[in-house]
Amino acid sequence: DTGVSQDPRHKITKRGQNVTFRCDPISEHNRLYWYRQTLGQGPEFLTYFQNEAQLEKSRLLSDRFSAERPKGSFSTLEIQRTEQGDSAMYLCASSPQTSGNTDTQYFGPGTRLTVL
Amino acid sequence: QKEVEQNSGPLSVPEGAIASLNCTYSDRGSQSFFWYRQYSGKSPELIMFIYSNGDKEDGRFTAQLNKASQYVSLLIRDSQPSDSATYLCAVRGTGRRALTFGSGTRLQVQP
Repeated sequence: DTGVSQDPRHKITKRGQNVTFRCDPISEHNRLYWYRQTLGQGPEFLTYFQNEAQLEKSRLLSDRFSAERPKGSFSTLEIQRTEQGDSAMYLCASSPQTSGNTDTQYFGPGTRLTVL
Repeated sequence: QKEVEQNSGPLSVPEGAIASLNCTYSDRGSQSFFWYRQYSGKSPELIMFIYSNGDKEDGRFTAQLNKASQYVSLLIRDSQPSDSATYLCAVRGTGRRALTFGSGTRLQVQP
């Protein structure tokens, strides 16, 4: 399978705990994105990496959230001191580097987080 | 005003009919437009993208873009029950890599 993969697929945690999610993009894609989706809404952008550089961050990405892509391959998203409002599907997407605005993003299966 | 607006539906069409899904956006400088399909409990799946005014066809799907009216649509011909899903419109805004999504339109194709 050469698609975007995410781990774990499901995570249940208690309020106040820290959680970390992993995303492995499609191998030749150097752009990686994190989104969050709640029920009945479209995905909301969190952050974007080109190779190892984090180039865009949403104001949704509070100081409890941090993302890394240390070697320009896989990425991790950590949420510290989780709150019930963090319960959502966390989606990772990747795209190849192309000229202009023509790159298309392909999503992984997502990690569903439930904060009790 | 939301950046990307879609009617939440549900839009119900009989099998074999044409389904028409619409989307408006607020950033006049947006250049790239995408349609994703999302089945319940699954992640979004790319259906089509369009960058230029006019129509773009791919099999049973046609994307239409009118930048002057800030309007994007998706037509699904010969709708099948398996097309029943939520369809998400996504727009790449001026100077950005991130996509802004609408809330999606739920399509129901009745057998």
